[in-house]
Amino acid sequence: DIVMTQSPDSLTLSLGERATINCKSSQSLLYSSNNKSYLAWYQQKPGQPPKLLIYWASSRDSGVPDRFSGAGSGTDFTLTISSLQAEDVAVYFCHQYSATPDTFGQGTKLQIK
Amino acid sequence: LQLQESGPGLVKPSETLSLTCTVLGGSINSPDNHWAWLRQSPGKGLEWIGSISDSGSTYRNPAITRRVTIAVDTSKNQVSLKLKSVTAADTGRYYCARRRQLLEYYFDDWGQGSLVTVSS
Repeated sequence: DIVMTQSPDSLTLSLGERATINCKSSQSLLYSSNNKSYLAWYQQKPGQPPKLLIYWASSRDSGVPDRFSGAGSGTDFTLTISSLQAEDVAVYFCHQYSATPDTFGQGTKLQIK
Repeated sequence: LQLQESGPGLVKPSETLSLTCTVLGGSINSPDNHWAWLRQSPGKGLEWIGSISDSGSTYRNPAITRRVTIAVDTSKNQVSLKLKSVTAADTGRYYCARRRQLLEYYFDDWGQGSLVTVSS
């Protein structure tokens, strides 16, 4: 199975600050045939299911604020929130869908200082 | 599209966990709709259990494949999950999710989840 490792496990920042969450996969998620990395990011607020934010490593889902951005290729990926808002408090997960079984990172808990 | 999971919240060890996902606002057998079951627990995080296509083709996580059955009931617009011989390690919240390909795709719609506790 592909192992997904996120860092840090938790992050506490002030409103308006930039948040960066990292995700590293044990194998490349890049398909050379279409030059796409099979990596998604989800946001999970307490008591709610995960919500898709980013797919193909850098494509924002419909309705997701543009302060959220994804970058990376191959085995190293980042999710960036450019200016933290109170409603961004949540746990964030990365997900690889390049190989079966799908696997997820352990999650990064984002809190406001 | 809305997904609603339902089923018993408490299952005894060694018994079979049965859950149903009702799809609202969309057709379960649309070619763009493929269905998955995932679960989340404090100990194991998010785990993909398996997926099923509109035509009934299934893929399951090798870690639990022998215990898992996933099926589609098109007459009821429902996807079902059966997990047999459960233990405490199967305790968690079980989610139904949709993706637009059977494999190698992200999950773009999730149900609220169904909390299952395995205990005698």
